[in-house]
Amino acid sequence: EAQVTQNPRYLITVTGKKLTVTCSQNMNHEYMSWYRQDPGLGLRQIYYSMNVEVTDKGDVPEGYKVSRKEKRNFPLILESPSPNQTSLYFCASSSLGYSNYGYTFGSGTRLTVV
Amino acid sequence: KQEVTQIPAALSVPEGENLVLNCSFTDSAIYNLQWFRQDPGKGLTSLLLIQSSQREQTSGRLNASLDKSSGRSTLYIAASQPGDSATYLCAVTNQAGTALIFGKGTTLSVSS
Repeated sequence: EAQVTQNPRYLITVTGKKLTVTCSQNMNHEYMSWYRQDPGLGLRQIYYSMNVEVTDKGDVPEGYKVSRKEKRNFPLILESPSPNQTSLYFCASSSLGYSNYGYTFGSGTRLTVV
Repeated sequence: KQEVTQIPAALSVPEGENLVLNCSFTDSAIYNLQWFRQDPGKGLTSLLLIQSSQREQTSGRLNASLDKSSGRSTLYIAASQPGDSATYLCAVTNQAGTALIFGKGTTLSVSS
């Protein structure tokens, strides 16, 4: 089954403790991206990657890092989480160009930073 | 900067009613437009994708239209059911293909 898999689904952590949220897709998509969803603000893009070793900032990149060492994986790293990063996070992937059939999203990771 | 607006923000209808959800965007230079459904606290399920060269797409009781020149899309739901209750999100892909820009959604409640 074609899918985007995020782990963990739920995470509670303390301020300053580094964490990684993993994202993996099995569709051989070139493009992957991370979004956060907050009440009243909607979904906002954090980082995206057009291919292996190619990443760029979205609208709200502060406090986050990403890497794309393999085509299928795109982890989101919070090196020193703060309470304002409490949010619902989504990873998405798609093919590019004329083979773009829209975006597939993971099930989400609900992160709470205390 | 591209902005996507969805009206209304919330909608309550009785079961069986046909309804229309509206989406508008400020920059007509889009690659495609996608409608999603989101249940509370859950992920996003893709409903329909309309390429910029297309005018509409249909899937079952859902029909989405796109008028790129006026910056508008509508999602038509026929014969609504309580199971249709969810938040519906409209999103456009920028021409570079680097971002999906979302509206804030329409929360639909269908009562039996």
